[in-house]
Amino acid sequence: DQQVKQNSPSLSVQEGRISILNCDYTNSMFDYFLWYKKYPAEGPTFLISISSIKDKNEDGRFTVFLNKSAKHLSLHIVPSQPGDSAVYFCAASASGTASKLTFGTGTRLQVTL
Amino acid sequence: EPEVTQTPSHQVTQMGQEVILRCVPISNHLYFYWYRQILGQKVEFLVSFYNNEISEKSEIFDDQFSVERPDGSNFTLKIRSTKLEDSAMYFCARKASGNTIYFGEGSWLTVV
Repeated sequence: DQQVKQNSPSLSVQEGRISILNCDYTNSMFDYFLWYKKYPAEGPTFLISISSIKDKNEDGRFTVFLNKSAKHLSLHIVPSQPGDSAVYFCAASASGTASKLTFGTGTRLQVTL
Repeated sequence: EPEVTQTPSHQVTQMGQEVILRCVPISNHLYFYWYRQILGQKVEFLVSFYNNEISEKSEIFDDQFSVERPDGSNFTLKIRSTKLEDSAMYFCARKASGNTIYFGEGSWLTVV
């Protein structure tokens, strides 16, 4: 039951360039979306979120775009830095579900020098 | 600084033994969660806990699992009789304002 999908298991980007991580969802009840960054053996760290009433949210180097009609969201990181190298998970929740999150499978981002 | 503190950070237990994982929220929030991540897989929801009651649970959260907040502060996840497939990283989480959920550092459980 893959309600949230991240089709790219890995991505390699040069330092200073833009990283674009993609996420698709199938459940039309989802109305809140989040991106988390995760290092091995650590908990997910919240990065940025977006509500379904918006199509863009920006926070410093991170911007999340939401295309509701396509059920697609993306995370843009610009400029990418070596410290951004980690696994990135998108997650979604639906109103009335106590904010239970459904996670994607993750994309491993490697930022090279 | 972690939003919640989890103990132990790593526990090795024999199959069939009981395990208790603990979570100490730093701030006083009402909504708490347990999630887990089996090695190489995605993070999965286990249970949400609101106002000292389970508000939602997943199919994974069967009769072997239980949660409680015995002293109004610590939030515990108990696995009564561990199985090999319970080996995973278990994350406690709490909800801030809105729908953003913040995770603890995790407890790595290895069942042998």
